[in-house]
Amino acid sequence: EAQVTQNPRYLITVTGKKLTVTCSQNMNHEYMSWYRQDPGLGLRQIYYSMNVEVTDKGDVPEGYKVSRKEKRNFPLILESPSPNQTSLYFCASSWWGESDTQYFGPGTRLTVL
Amino acid sequence: GENVEQHPSTLSVQEGDSAVIKCTYSDSASNYFPWYKQELGKRPQLIIDIRSNVGEKKDQRIAVTLNKTAKHFSLHITETQPEDSAVYFCAASSSGYSTLTFGKGTMLLVSP
Repeated sequence: EAQVTQNPRYLITVTGKKLTVTCSQNMNHEYMSWYRQDPGLGLRQIYYSMNVEVTDKGDVPEGYKVSRKEKRNFPLILESPSPNQTSLYFCASSWWGESDTQYFGPGTRLTVL
Repeated sequence: GENVEQHPSTLSVQEGDSAVIKCTYSDSASNYFPWYKQELGKRPQLIIDIRSNVGEKKDQRIAVTLNKTAKHFSLHITETQPEDSAVYFCAASSSGYSTLTFGKGTMLLVSP
């Protein structure tokens, strides 16, 4: 089954404790991206990747890191999480870019205390 | 970068009525305009999209119109049904930036 998976689905952590949210797609998509969703603010793009080893900042990259060592995986890293990073995070992928249907993962709800 | 404004933030209609959601964008280079539907607790899913070389596109009860001169595009849902209740997001992208910018969303509530 074609899908985008994220883990964990729910995470409660404390300020400063490094964490990684994994994202994997099995559709051989070139483009992958991360969004955060906050009430009243919609979806905001954090980082995106056009291909392996090619990543770039979206609209809200501060406090986040990403890597794209393999085509299928695009982990989101919070090296020192803060309470303002409490949010719902979505990973998405598409065949060839931002102007193509985005397939979203199920979301990861992160709470930073 | 791109800025997308979406209105209204909430919309309540009776079943069978039409619903219209409007978005404006700022970057005249934007050329792709998708609409996503997000049901409660679910992930966003594409429902329709339009590119800048087309003025209107329809798919059964939903349609999207684009006015490049005014830099706005709209989602039209006819004969609304309770299962249309969801949050709808518009978005815009420009191949020059490789990013996708979303509006803040419209919560549509269709009452039986």
